[in-house]
Amino acid sequence: EVQLVESGGGLVQPGGSLRLSCAASGFPFSNYWMSWVRQAPGKGLEWVANIKQDGSATYYVDSVKGRFSISRDNAKNSLFLQMLSLRAEDTAVYFCARVTTTVVRTLLIYYFDYWGQGSLVTVSS
Amino acid sequence: DIQMTQSPSSLSASIGDRVTITCRASQTISRYLNWYQHKPGRAPKVLIYAASSLQSGVSSRFSGSGSGTNFTLTISSLQAEDVASYYCQEGYINPPGTFGQGTKVEIK
Repeated sequence: EVQLVESGGGLVQPGGSLRLSCAASGFPFSNYWMSWVRQAPGKGLEWVANIKQDGSATYYVDSVKGRFSISRDNAKNSLFLQMLSLRAEDTAVYFCARVTTTVVRTLLIYYFDYWGQGSLVTVSS
Repeated sequence: DIQMTQSPSSLSASIGDRVTITCRASQTISRYLNWYQHKPGRAPKVLIYAASSLQSGVSSRFSGSGSGTNFTLTISSLQAEDVASYYCQEGYINPPGTFGQGTKVEIK
């Protein structure tokens, strides 16, 4: 059974830092792109970052570029999100998600097929 | 960056109604479009990928259509368990990316 379990959330002051972790099990972790997605209170889903299977490529939403860093440890089946210079607007539930890939009519399609339950990050003084 | 615009932002319909949600991309994205359902306190769930392919295990009440910039998610006969927020997502630039702002579906 595929499982993704986030940890590391909590209350942090503006300007502070936090590191989220996501423990993966039930699938060959090193074979998959992985992502972080967040949902601020009362708001919709926002894609945050992606990382390639071997960590050689990463992508970020503009609002976190230069402040957040996605990484992974394939030996430990773990995904991370290092968050620096946190702002009130970073307050959200952060989900890790597995990216699955399939070919449909010659198109290489990516989508999130498994998600964790989320970890709450609150940035407040 | 690609912007995704959904409409409506919320809707209320009766059990058994046909419900349609639209999603528009700010530039052409071919069929690189996914749809998700999200219920409060639960992990989001993929319904449709590649604009019209139904994810395994998802009810056939759900269907998707469109290509280029205009896409549609349809619930053929609304059920109580379909109360949720629905999001489109593009996967054109990098895998995968921007979500629409969401559509909240309620029962009238």
